[in-house]
Amino acid sequence: GAVVSQHPSRVICKSGTSVKIECRSLDFQATTMFWYRQFPKQSLMLMATSNEGSKATYEQGVEKDKFLINHASLTLSTLTVTSAHPEDSSFYICSARDRNRPTSEAFFGQGTRLTVV
Amino acid sequence: AQSVSQHNHHVILSEAASLELGCNYSYGGTVNLFWYVQYPGQHLQLLLKYFSGDPLVKGIKGFEAEFIKSKFSFNLRKPSVQWSDTAEYFCAVTPGRNAGNMLTFGGGTRLMVKP
Repeated sequence: GAVVSQHPSRVICKSGTSVKIECRSLDFQATTMFWYRQFPKQSLMLMATSNEGSKATYEQGVEKDKFLINHASLTLSTLTVTSAHPEDSSFYICSARDRNRPTSEAFFGQGTRLTVV
Repeated sequence: AQSVSQHNHHVILSEAASLELGCNYSYGGTVNLFWYVQYPGQHLQLLLKYFSGDPLVKGIKGFEAEFIKSKFSFNLRKPSVQWSDTAEYFCAVTPGRNAGNMLTFGGGTRLMVKP
């Protein structure tokens, strides 16, 4: 149980285009999902908290207009990197919290490696 | 804001050596503590976690960690490392009684085990 799936696992896009990354909880419902970013040889940094049916909460320094988050259902959150630039190349990882196990840890997806050329 | 410090950025060991990776956090209240491992080219895997109870927690693959509240520490240990333990290790913390909140990660420790 507690499987979180991200798609795609790898994506290469041209500078200026937009890329959508999906995060799905496969066997549980998640009212809250988190999006992290990991630059090469660095640690994971929280970008935003995605809440089902409401607006995401962004961390300081993260542009909400550039990183669009939509959490339209209890099993799916999407992160869209708009007008991507090479400096957006990174490893994006989501985690999801089981609404029926509020004291349990959040479960991580396998991550999406974005390369902008 | 809370922070997590991992003192060793790079560690090189020979097989069968003992491992201890340091992790300190800055938060005075109740915390939930985690160690994750990221093998080369792979995603994060949970090694072990501490929520409450016995401060010595055992995880997968022979790893264990000890929560010392007075030192704000949660060091990771393994008595005898293997070449397959080569990976990056992240300590992470979330405050409060809800372990599913967002995590604050340490900077990571890159472990290389020489055969």
